[in-house]
Amino acid sequence: DTEVTQTPKHLVMGMTNKKSLKCEQHMGHRAMYWYKQKAKKPPELMFVYSYEKLSINESVPSRFSPECPNSSLLNLHLHALQPEDSALYLCASSRTGSSTDTQYFGPGTRLTVL
Amino acid sequence: SQQGEEDPQALSIQEGENATMNCSYKTSINNLQWYRQNSGRGLVHLILIRSNEREKHSGRLRVTLDTSKKSSSLLITASRAADTASYFCATSGGYQKVTFGTGTKLQVIP
Repeated sequence: DTEVTQTPKHLVMGMTNKKSLKCEQHMGHRAMYWYKQKAKKPPELMFVYSYEKLSINESVPSRFSPECPNSSLLNLHLHALQPEDSALYLCASSRTGSSTDTQYFGPGTRLTVL
Repeated sequence: SQQGEEDPQALSIQEGENATMNCSYKTSINNLQWYRQNSGRGLVHLILIRSNEREKHSGRLRVTLDTSKKSSSLLITASRAADTASYFCATSGGYQKVTFGTGTKLQVIP
């Protein structure tokens, strides 16, 4: 199974809402990633978890809060977002987090902030 | 900041033709990867080339890497309509962090 699943597929939220994005993989991978992708732009790295510990935070605003409950699950908690945070949020996983690893991407969550 | 700049930004070809897209980057890298993204979907890994390699093949894909020029190219031969997608190079200079280039949007016309 080389699948990374993400829920929900689409999310519309107001600026005062609290919501969470979920990502799951069952490939035994020990690194998981969150990316943000605006329209017609490349994915931009937000966070990396390695062996369930946060190893990279690309200076992401605190209104985005990642969580890795176990090696298969990755959440992104959202609170007090701005309209400019509307984007496709992609989750990925890789075997160890090495730069030579293939990253496996989920289909993404399309987020709209009103 | 983005590591790779790709050109062309968009490319439209007829089915059966070859498609070439280029990636230039700014700093030293350990390896360079190419990914494909169908519209609004997740990315799919295509191929990885290490910094000590000059050329690599995988099926209809041919990747070259010139570290002296800090550039790479992806050639797709005998293109198919199903190859229509955006293609991104991704560079890595260190552990864990991969930076994606600006992307080339390829349209293959049946």
